[in-house]
Amino acid sequence: EPEVTQTPSHQVTQMGQEVILRCVPISNHLYFYWYRQILGQKVEFLVSFYNNEISEKSEIFDDQFSVERPDGSNFTLKIRSTKLEDSAMYFCASSENYSTREAFFGQGTRLTVV
Amino acid sequence: AQKVTQAQTEISVVEKEDVTLDCVYETRDTTYYLFWYKQPPSGELVFLIRRNSFDEQNEISGRYSWNFQKSTSSFNFTITASQVVDSAVYFCALKHYRSSNTGKLIFGQGTTLQVKP
Repeated sequence: EPEVTQTPSHQVTQMGQEVILRCVPISNHLYFYWYRQILGQKVEFLVSFYNNEISEKSEIFDDQFSVERPDGSNFTLKIRSTKLEDSAMYFCASSENYSTREAFFGQGTRLTVV
Repeated sequence: AQKVTQAQTEISVVEKEDVTLDCVYETRDTTYYLFWYKQPPSGELVFLIRRNSFDEQNEISGRYSWNFQKSTSSFNFTITASQVVDSAVYFCALKHYRSSNTGKLIFGQGTTLQVKP
C-alpha cells in the first residue's frame, strides 16, 4: 500500500541551527501538507502546498519556515533558525485533492531543539 | 469559528468492552468533512474514516462504527469488543468548505484510549 515516508525519524539540533525535514508523498498525490504536534497536544496545521505554491499557512508558519518541492518526489520543510519551542513531532501528509479526499500522513519526524 | 472538541481526555476500558469516543464540532459552513485518525504508540497518524456533511448515514467497519448527527454537531466513534491493539490516541478532525481549496484540517485534542487485558 502506498505511504508517505518521512526522514529522519528523529532529529536533534542546537538552537539557532537550520533543519530540513524531508518527505516523500504518495506518488500520484499533488497536494501536500505539514502539521505539527507538540508533545501531548493536538495536531496543528502548518501549511498546505499545491502546484509549487503555498495554498494556506497558519500563524505558526512564520518567516522562519519554508517549504519546497525540489524535485518530482520530495517535499521539504525548512526551519531557518530553530528555537526551543520548535521541538515537536512534524507530520507530512498528502492527498489527491484538497476538498473531498482524505490526507494520508507519514510516520512523523521528532524534532528536538536543545 | 471552526472548532473540534473531544471532551474525553482519557478513557480506560477492559478488553471486550464497548467504548464510544465523543466528537463535537463547530462550523458555520453547511458543507464540511469530518475525519477520524488513530495515533498508535508508534506515533504515526492512521486515517480511519471520512464523512461528508450531506451524508448522515452511519457507517460500520468491522468492530468500528461511526454515528454522525448533524442536529447535535456530533460525530462519535464506537469500538465494539475492544482489544488491546485498539490502545491509541484517537483524533477527530474537521475540514470546512472554505478550506476545500487548501485542505486544512482542524483537529480535536484527542482521546487517549487504553484497553487493558
